[in-house]
This record gives sequence, structure tokens and C-alpha cells, in this order.
Amino acid sequence: KNQVEQSPQSLIILEGKNCTLQCNYTVSPFSNLRWYKQDTGRGPVSLTIMTFSENTKSNGRYTATLDADTKQSSLHITASQLSDSASYICVVSDRGSTLGRLYFGRGTQLTVWP
Amino acid sequence: EADIYQTPRYLVIGTGKKITLECSQTMGHDKMYWYQQDPGMELHLIHYSYGVNSTEKGDLSSESTVSRIRTEHFPLTLESARPSHTSQYLCASSALSNTGELFFGEGSRLTVL
Repeated sequence: KNQVEQSPQSLIILEGKNCTLQCNYTVSPFSNLRWYKQDTGRGPVSLTIMTFSENTKSNGRYTATLDADTKQSSLHITASQLSDSASYICVVSDRGSTLGRLYFGRGTQLTVWP
Repeated sequence: EADIYQTPRYLVIGTGKKITLECSQTMGHDKMYWYQQDPGMELHLIHYSYGVNSTEKGDLSSESTVSRIRTEHFPLTLESARPSHTSQYLCASSALSNTGELFFGEGSRLTVL
């Protein structure tokens, strides 16, 4: 069964600290994996995409990793800011074609305290 | 910033009423979607469209219907709302590409009393 599991479910950190969010998937075949950020009351926004051949990709203070062998991805946030408080959703695509399906994780709710 | 708009943002209605949630995008995307999102749960696909006059049901059984008469417009209609329809509804669009980035609207929060 194709699934996407995220951990932890929720996380509280102090401003300026680093944190790492995890995403494990069983989706096959695999095309790509995206991390989305969803602020409260808003729609999700894409942070980064990882394809099969990519191990690490950075977008400012966000760094995503992908291990396609173990089917794991992580999102590392450096020097957290209050504006990082949001839900982070991992989404895996199985084919990347027009008919490809998307599998969503339940998200990690991150709260950054001052 | 994504050019996809949803109205209304918030709606509180009584049981049995008919409602339409509007979604419009100005990016010329062929693919459009409706997702349902409840707190702490993953997004569930309820409808999608590959283009004009194309609509398909998603994974989550829904009593809603959609139409795609114009590329930019993808409204969702509930003929008779029930309390079980209370949820957040997210509209999204994407271009026909292998990377398939979704661009989401702000969402419509529906409460049925």
C-alpha cells in the first residue's frame, strides 16, 4: 500500500534553533518528492522538490535530503524564525506523468517560540 | 505568489442549503483539483480535471459535483449541505509537467450547522 508517514506529528522549538522533520514513504514507482509549507489558514506552498537522482537540495534556510534506497526524506530548518511556524507536508508522486498520483503525509506542525 | 483564488474564504450555512465554492486561476493551467482537509489529517482528493469538459472523481467519496466549462474556472457544488460536509476545501492547479507542482488557493472553510 502506497503511504507517506511523517514524524514528528508536532514539534516546538525556540527561535534560532535548528530542527529536522522526517518523511518515510512506500510509494512505488517513485517520481519525485515535494515539501510544502502550509501557514495557518492558508494553502500549502512548495518549498522544494527532490527527484530520484538528487540527494540534497537547499532553499535558503531549508535543506531537503532524499535517500531513495531507504525511501526516506528529511527537511532541515536552520536558525528558525517565528515565521517558520507552520505545517510542513511531504508529498510523493508515483509517476510524474499526467496520470501520476500524489500521496500526502499528514504533516508536521512546527511551532517556533520566541 | 500563486494566482489562484477561492471564494468564499469562510461560509456558515444551515443543513439542506445548496452551496457553490468558487475557484479561479490565471496561470493557464490545464489541471485543477479540489482537496478536502481536516485538522491533523492528510489532504484528500475529491475531484480533478485535466482540462475543459474533463472532470473525474478523486479518492474520497464526495456528494459534491464540479464543472470545468472554462480553463480558469473550477467550481464545486453541494446540492444539499450536511454537518458531515464541515471541512476545509482547498483548490489547486498545476501545469502538465513531470514535476507537477501544485499551486493552492487560500481555502474555503465550510461550516454546516
